Amino acid sequence: QSALTQPPSASGSPGQSVTISCTGTSSDVGFSNYVSWYQQHPGKAPKLMIYEVSKRPSGVPDRFSGSKSGNTASLTVSGLQADDEADYYCGSYAGINNVVFGGGTQLTVL
Amino acid sequence: EVQLVESGGGLVKPGGSLRLSCTASGFTFSNAWMSWVRQAPGKGLEWLGRIKSRTDGGTAEYPAPVQGRFTISRDDSRNTLYLQMNSLKTEDTAVYYCATYSSGVPLYWGQGTLVTVSS
Repeated sequence: QSALTQPPSASGSPGQSVTISCTGTSSDVGFSNYVSWYQQHPGKAPKLMIYEVSKRPSGVPDRFSGSKSGNTASLTVSGLQADDEADYYCGSYAGINNVVFGGGTQLTVL
Repeated sequence: EVQLVESGGGLVKPGGSLRLSCTASGFTFSNAWMSWVRQAPGKGLEWLGRIKSRTDGGTAEYPAPVQGRFTISRDDSRNTLYLQMNSLKTEDTAVYYCATYSSGVPLYWGQGTLVTVSS
């Protein structure tokens, strides 16, 4: 069982927006602003999409945005495109020798 | 561009050992904190630990599930990160990723190397 809770699936039609939640505790998500999101296509490595709750690495479209409230972080994908269909994982700093991840959300573009 | 290439995976018997390597390019490896993460087939991500840069002390920290069995080290002269895995169990079967570590989490990942523990 993963430390962070994500919905197993989410879906939306092209052009729509979808939000994926990631719920932890005051020891991880709620502890700091070190929350990240990763996109993983089948058979590929995870790709960083969001770090420090809401920052986007260079090259990640601004259709991807992150936020946090209390012990829950969220990833919003706007203007859904076919290539957005993938698994999404959240990750959070959880202390000096620990990082915890969510169980992953399979995003389907209908 | 950050590039990380893992190697050393393969088939190993239960109780055996294996050392994975991760060769880095595109950034100043000696200044970077690095980490390892694994993903069992069809499962989620699992944190294996991280190592600081030598200038920040060069120490490694591990989560409880792998403490004492896994060791992370680095050779800055070779721009290479290592993961030594001992007393391997069938449940260690996974794709192993190295990643840069910053802002409290893994950031940029390699393509991974598959380790299969089976008799």
